[in-house]
Formats: sequence, structure tokens, C-alpha cells
Amino acid sequence: DQQVKQNSPSLSVQEGRISILNCDYTNSMFDYFLWYKKYPAEGPTFLISISSIKDKNEDGRFTVFLNKSAKHLSLHIVPSQPGDSAVYFCAASAGSSNTGKLIFGQGTTLQVKP
Amino acid sequence: NAGVMQNPRHLVRRRGQEARLRCSPMKGHSHVYWYRQLPEEGLKFMVYLQKENIIDESGMPKERFSAEFPKEGPSILRIQQVVRGDSAAYFCASSPSTQETQYFGPGTRLLVL
Repeated sequence: DQQVKQNSPSLSVQEGRISILNCDYTNSMFDYFLWYKKYPAEGPTFLISISSIKDKNEDGRFTVFLNKSAKHLSLHIVPSQPGDSAVYFCAASAGSSNTGKLIFGQGTTLQVKP
Repeated sequence: NAGVMQNPRHLVRRRGQEARLRCSPMKGHSHVYWYRQLPEEGLKFMVYLQKENIIDESGMPKERFSAEFPKEGPSILRIQQVVRGDSAAYFCASSPSTQETQYFGPGTRLLVL
């Protein structure tokens, strides 16, 4: 049962344009969401997070939007840079679980072309 | 402030051998999580530990896998009698509490021949 889904395995954008990565979830108990970026042969690097009490969080070029009614979140990267090329994972956790364990999506490979 | 450390980075084992993966959390972090990433998949939660206690092992296979986080020293994920299907990247993450961001180590890539 895939509780967190990233339906686009890959995305290609031109440098300077906007990258939009999407994530859907099914568990209504999830109340904290994170995006991680991962380069080959490295561990995931935390990018940005959002709590369910918000619908938007911004950090520099990265903005995460949360639509609770649709159980959907998205990561916007503006402007995209070649160094952003990596695999992006969406993750969610349920505060009620009291463990903080993360449920990950399958990942989306972003390629930013110069 | 050093990040999460994992060793070894690469580990090759033959079927039936034991694999020991080590994780040292970030300074000040007492919560350790282990995740496994199979080829072409996302990360899957395995186990959550605090010092000397296993809090949640709902993602651990019932047999051959065990984890510990002793009072002194790193957290250890042990896989006994490895099989080819255990080949994966194993990531450790740490956080100061369950409500805060988890930071990941570089992972251990296990290859079972």
C-alpha cells in the first residue's frame, strides 16, 4: 500500500525555468511533510518541510505548497539550476504515531538542462 | 558539527554471511532511524531507536534482522545469513526529537554475492 506517491518518475526543465514536482498521499493522519534531494551514491539531503497547519512554506528558490483537501503537495524550484539535477523524494509523517518515522514516495528524477 | 556518519560505505558479503552496518548520529541527536532503499524504489522505514531502546521496529523483517543503539557507541543494524534480496542501500537518519527534521547519513551499500 503506497501511502505516498510521486507519479512522475522523471522531469526535465530548462535552466532558469520553474520546476514543479508533485506528491500525493492517502493517509489523512499525515501532518508533516518534507522534501529531500538525493544525488547518486549519497544520502538524502533535507530541503524544505511544511506542517499541515500551513499551506505554503518558502525558502529561497524552494517553495512547498500543501493542499490538504486534495491530499497533494508540490515543490516549486524557481529558477531551476543545473545543480538542482537530482532525485527528489517527498516524505510524510504522522504526529499521532509518536515515532516520527517517515513514509517516502518513489522519487522523481529532475534534470535541469543548461 | 559532523553530520550523520555511516560505515562502511560499501559492503560485499556472500550468501549466508553476516552484515554489520554502523551509524553514528549527529551530536546532540538521540533518535536514530534506519531506512532501506531497494533498487529503483523509495526509502522504506525499518526501525526507530533511542538510546538502549527499540521504539518502533514495524518495518524490520521478522527474521535475520536486528538493530541496537547502545548507551555508548554507534547504532548497529545486523543482518544474519544474508541473501541476495538483502542487496540495497541502507540509510541511517538522526534527529533531536520525533518532531524535528531527520538528517541522513551517506548510506551503506550492501551487495550480496
